[in-house]
Amino acid sequence: KQEVTQIPAALSVPEGENLVLNCSFTDSAIYNLQWFRQDPGKGLTSLLLIQSSQREQTSGRLNASLDKSSGRSTLYIAASQPGDSATYLCAVKHNTDKLIFGTGTRLQVFP
Amino acid sequence: DAGVIQSPRHEVTEMGQEVTLRCKPISGHDYLFWYRQTMMRGLELLIYFNNNVPIDDSGMPEDRFSAKMPNASFSTLKIQPSEPRDSAVYFCASSLVPWEVFGYTFGSGTRLTVV
Repeated sequence: KQEVTQIPAALSVPEGENLVLNCSFTDSAIYNLQWFRQDPGKGLTSLLLIQSSQREQTSGRLNASLDKSSGRSTLYIAASQPGDSATYLCAVKHNTDKLIFGTGTRLQVFP
Repeated sequence: DAGVIQSPRHEVTEMGQEVTLRCKPISGHDYLFWYRQTMMRGLELLIYFNNNVPIDDSGMPEDRFSAKMPNASFSTLKIQPSEPRDSAVYFCASSLVPWEVFGYTFGSGTRLTVV
């Protein structure tokens, strides 16, 4: 059974810091991995999608890497801003149509 | 495209009442998923459809829960009778085949409170 874990569970940092959020999964036979952002009381917004054949994806200040063999992905946020405050979720697609979500990292960036 | 549309945004109902949540997927998406999010359990997949056909409903908690997709542009999740432990945010998501490339798009969710 695929299990997805995110570390840390919560993070509070001052504005301007570079951040690394971690995601680990137990079964490396995934098809892709997706990072989402969820604002309080809101739905999920897709940030980055990494195919199993890719090593990383970049969008603006965000960079996501994938190491399938070790079952790990990281989301790097450069020059963090208060507007980055949200919960970040990673999700993996296994050999089914299902998307298995991680436990989430709650990020707070203060001015 | 307006994205995945869910209604209502908020629902408050009394225990024992029937609740119906609605979802309109993105036009052309072949997959539709219903998720439930709670503080204790995070995001859980309840059921998903491919081309309007239910593929896996193993996540549906009990017989009180049922889901239908009568056509490609509409799905419902029904709870009858509702219980306080059903209180959660219910998300609908859709995906285009091939899903390897396009990923998922989520709706804004329905926050259900059963009192």
